[in-house]
Amino acid sequence: QVQLQESGPGLVKPSQTLSLTCSVSGGSTSSDGYYWSWIRQRPGKGLEWIGYIYHTGNTYYNPSLKSLVTISVDTSKNQFSLKLTSVTAADTAVYYCARAAAATRWFDPWGQGTLVTVSS
Amino acid sequence: DIQMTQSPSSLSASVGDRVSFTCRASQNIFTNLNWYQKKPGKAPSLLIHAASSLQSGVPSRFSGSGSGTDFTLTISSLQPEDFATYYCQQSYTTPLTFGGGTKVEIK
Repeated sequence: QVQLQESGPGLVKPSQTLSLTCSVSGGSTSSDGYYWSWIRQRPGKGLEWIGYIYHTGNTYYNPSLKSLVTISVDTSKNQFSLKLTSVTAADTAVYYCARAAAATRWFDPWGQGTLVTVSS
Repeated sequence: DIQMTQSPSSLSASVGDRVSFTCRASQNIFTNLNWYQKKPGKAPSLLIHAASSLQSGVPSRFSGSGSGTDFTLTISSLQPEDFATYYCQQSYTTPLTFGGGTKVEIK
């Protein structure tokens, strides 16, 4: 059974870079057929897809965040990562990693989520 | 971007009730529609994919229907563990987008 777990700082200062890692167990980030995804939920808001990466390194980002986001994958560590630059308070959110089958793009499973607060 | 609109935003119901709520897409997404359940402090979990296919392990009281732009999630007999927020998500095209959610509360 595939499991995902997010890790990273819970507090980031404005204008700095938010960095999170998702560790995958029970499955492989080098497997064909899956996108490794980041999704966030800002306080009191709905879910927002940030982007995803294929094991080849091909990435797809939400255009609303594209200029600020980098998703990378380290298949040797079975991890993938999110970097969001120049953060503001509006980037305070619970960040989830999730797997999506490439052919269908529904998200399953998800990590437990990690709260990142942007504050000085 | 495809906008996903869920209604109502919240509803109150009792255990045993049959409840339905809807998700509308701003353009035709065929059956590329998925439903998730989210409880406070927990990750979302996939309930229904491709509009009407029940995810493995999900109770049969959950069902989905619809195609094109209008979709419905139905819970045939609400159970205590079903009080949660439900989100739809279109997987037709990027950017992948979610609805704003329907919160099911205890009456």
